[in-house]
Amino acid sequence: QKEVEQDPGPLSVPEGAIVSLNCTYSNSAFQYFMWYRQYSRKGPELLMYTYSSGNKEDGRFTAQVDKSSKYISLFIRDSQPSDSATYLCAMSGAGNTDKLIFGTGTRLQVFP
Amino acid sequence: KAGVTQTPRYLIKTRGQQVTLSCSPISGHRSVSWYQQTPGQGLQFLFEYFSETQRNKGNFPGRFSGRQFSNSRSEMNVSTLELGDSALYLCASSLDRVSTGELFFGEGSRLTVL
Repeated sequence: QKEVEQDPGPLSVPEGAIVSLNCTYSNSAFQYFMWYRQYSRKGPELLMYTYSSGNKEDGRFTAQVDKSSKYISLFIRDSQPSDSATYLCAMSGAGNTDKLIFGTGTRLQVFP
Repeated sequence: KAGVTQTPRYLIKTRGQQVTLSCSPISGHRSVSWYQQTPGQGLQFLFEYFSETQRNKGNFPGRFSGRQFSNSRSEMNVSTLELGDSALYLCASSLDRVSTGELFFGEGSRLTVL
């Protein structure tokens, strides 16, 4: 079993829809939780960053962390065709030598 | 501010050859980490360098190696290439350790092994 599980999709939604992306994990030591967005033929870019539990909002994006359920989510409101990309969750512990573990990514397509 | 630069962007090698990939981090970033990305396995951590020292290493064979120079630029080398090494190799830089997760990625070097 992988430390981080993420549904690969693809997820196809109409423009304006609310998108929910999720990851589950098994390591209770994870403290840092991130979402990266990767466009085709590009490197990932950091989208959202959360330390420990709770919610974080940035424009149309909301990240949620539920450590009791070992579950993180990214919500995209009013989705746009420009949101079409692969979304990768990532997480790590708080130690200096802890590794950053990525999910395999969910491919999202927003059609007009 | 210039981003992370990786060279070469594309390369084709044959089995048994070796390859060296280069990464120039964002100015002021001392941590450089390397990842292998394939469709089946996703992003897998190779190693992290901080101030010229390898701070962490992923579960890859010894054919994969790296180093960091005093100017923070980094190289990774893969020797005795195998077909399964075909992948996108991504470099990321950060101000602090990789585990904080605030990474800035380059566009990657796409390696094809024939």
